[in-house]
Amino acid sequence: DAKTTQPPSMDCAEGRAANLPCNHSTISGNEYVYWYRQIHSQGPQYIIHGLKNNETNEMASLIITEDRKSSTLILPHATLRDTAVYYCIVRTQGGSEKLVFGKGTKLTVNP
Amino acid sequence: DVKVTQSSRYLVKRTGEKVFLECVQDMDHENMFWYRQDPGLGLRLIYFSYDVKMKEKGDIPEGYSVSREKKERFSLILESASTNQTSMYLCASSLYRSGANVLTFGAGSRLTVL
Repeated sequence: DAKTTQPPSMDCAEGRAANLPCNHSTISGNEYVYWYRQIHSQGPQYIIHGLKNNETNEMASLIITEDRKSSTLILPHATLRDTAVYYCIVRTQGGSEKLVFGKGTKLTVNP
Repeated sequence: DVKVTQSSRYLVKRTGEKVFLECVQDMDHENMFWYRQDPGLGLRLIYFSYDVKMKEKGDIPEGYSVSREKKERFSLILESASTNQTSMYLCASSLYRSGANVLTFGAGSRLTVL
């Protein structure tokens, strides 16, 4: 599986958009990009995933560059409850179900 | 919503004890996983299972075993607990959606081995 690189930490003001970057320069054509987050003392929570096109759901938007070497998770109006560690993962479609979590980005939303 | 329930939120055990961590999911998922999480090391996969009675080693299986006798239940077993197994243990099950695999995690079991 392709490796990912994320900044270790970011800050965001409450009510503003939080843009979390992820580099995955070795991604291959059939690898999906997944985002999860983990709020302190809880299990990780799935947010969104995508292959080539940009995706949006009730939680976030995922923007994938045309060359697919990087992506950005966007929380459009961050709240204090969005303070968490955000993990970007790339994974092959089908096959083994194993997901490898890196160290993620610690997002702190400030009042 | 799918639920993944881990039987114990906090456990304290002594070195050498046999420890069972239980995980149950209620949405008929084929795949189940056990991870451990330690500060600075992130989540590391211990074992996973594709189906009943099937198991696969993850990245750090040493000192652990698993049991999957029923589809909804995946147990992690520490045959003889050691202090270096003090950790947060996370169970997950996966949903295959739109060609991708989405994991749902339990709340975690924090194990302390004295």
